[in-house]
Amino acid sequence: AIQMTQSPSSLSASVGDRVTITCRASQDIRHDLGWYQQKPGKAPKLLIYVASRLQSGVPSRFSGSGSGTDFTLTISSLQPEDFATYYCLQDYNYPQTFGQGTKVEIK
Amino acid sequence: EVQLVESGGGQVQPGRSLRLSCAASGLTFDDYAMHWVRQGPGKGLEWVSGISWNSGSIGYADSVKGRFTVSRDNAKNSLYLQMTSLRAEDTALYFCAKAKRSSSSSPLDYWGQGTLVTVSS
Repeated sequence: AIQMTQSPSSLSASVGDRVTITCRASQDIRHDLGWYQQKPGKAPKLLIYVASRLQSGVPSRFSGSGSGTDFTLTISSLQPEDFATYYCLQDYNYPQTFGQGTKVEIK
Repeated sequence: EVQLVESGGGQVQPGRSLRLSCAASGLTFDDYAMHWVRQGPGKGLEWVSGISWNSGSIGYADSVKGRFTVSRDNAKNSLYLQMTSLRAEDTALYFCAKAKRSSSSSPLDYWGQGTLVTVSS
């Protein structure tokens, strides 16, 4: 199975900060990566798919980049509602695999 | 509006079986692959299984392969997960999720609220 290594596992940031989260795949997955946001007690929400496409309804402060094995999720200006846990998920092949998650906390 | 509603969770003893269901509405069900994802208490997300629109392509996480079976009934707009030989480590909130595409692996764009499975004696 493809392993997804996500970093950092947590970070503290302030409202307005630029935040970057990375995911590395153990093999080439082309552009087949999505980013998900999960708030406590809620289901995950798709933010970005095929590495850089913004899911409908997601604010434009979220962006994704990368291909092959290295991917990045960027929040250009952190908002209060963005404090959550973020996961990457490779959908290149079965079994699909998540990164370990990054918890974004208020500084 | 797409809605996914999971059911069938509960407390079960180790070694026993349980069947989860996911009822879908607000979509043309057989246009999309469907998936199960779980989250253990205080843990991250774990992809469990996926099934293509026509059940022609199915995948499982290594941790459940040989014990869990995914299926779907397009006439009933329903997805299922038959879980056997349950272990304590299968304790989790199980989410049903819709894929963006009909084929196998795919991003997951709609999620249910989950059904809780507790494996304990």
